[in-house]
Amino acid sequence: EIVMTQSPATLSVSPGERATLSCRASQSVGSNLAWYQQKPGQAPRLLISGASTRATGIPARFSGSGSGTEFTLTISSLQSEDFAVYYCQQYNNWPRTFGQGTEVEI
Amino acid sequence: EVQLVESGGGLVQPGGSLRLSCAASGFTFSSYSMHWVRQAPGKGLEYVSAINNNGGSTYYANFVKGRFTISRDNSKNTLYLQMGSLGAEDMAVYYCARIGPTSALDIWGQGTMVTVSS
Repeated sequence: EIVMTQSPATLSVSPGERATLSCRASQSVGSNLAWYQQKPGQAPRLLISGASTRATGIPARFSGSGSGTEFTLTISSLQSEDFAVYYCQQYNNWPRTFGQGTEVEI
Repeated sequence: EVQLVESGGGLVQPGGSLRLSCAASGFTFSSYSMHWVRQAPGKGLEYVSAINNNGGSTYYANFVKGRFTISRDNSKNTLYLQMGSLGAEDMAVYYCARIGPTSALDIWGQGTMVTVSS
């Protein structure tokens, strides 16, 4: 099973600042990586697939990069609605696995 | 509108069974593989199971250990998760999700809560 490790666990930022979230895979997953956003009491929402392709309707301030084992989600200028928990997920191997999440807080 | 709606959650005693359902609408259900993902209270997302579009292939997380069975009825646009031998560790919100064209989970239901307690 591929282990996905996200860092940091919690990221404290101010509105308008840049946020950089990291995700590391225990073995290569190519570009088969997705990022999801989850707000309290809500289902997760797909942000990024293929490591760098924004899902439909996702603002351009969200960007993804990386391949192999190292991935990054960048939020260029945090808006109030971006404070949430972010998860990475690999879909290169079975079972699919998620990282433990990074909480972006004020 | 593309939508997934889960049902069937509730309170079950340890060792008991429960069947979750996920009703799909707004898209051609039979064309898509589907997942179940769960989230224990205050915890992260955990992959549970997946099924391909025609039900011919299924995948399970290691912790399922033969206790859960995923299935689908394409004539009813419905996904199922039959769960047995439930324990406290299975207590969670269970989400169904669609595997989209990019192989990521592009549509999620609102979730259904499973509580295991005597």
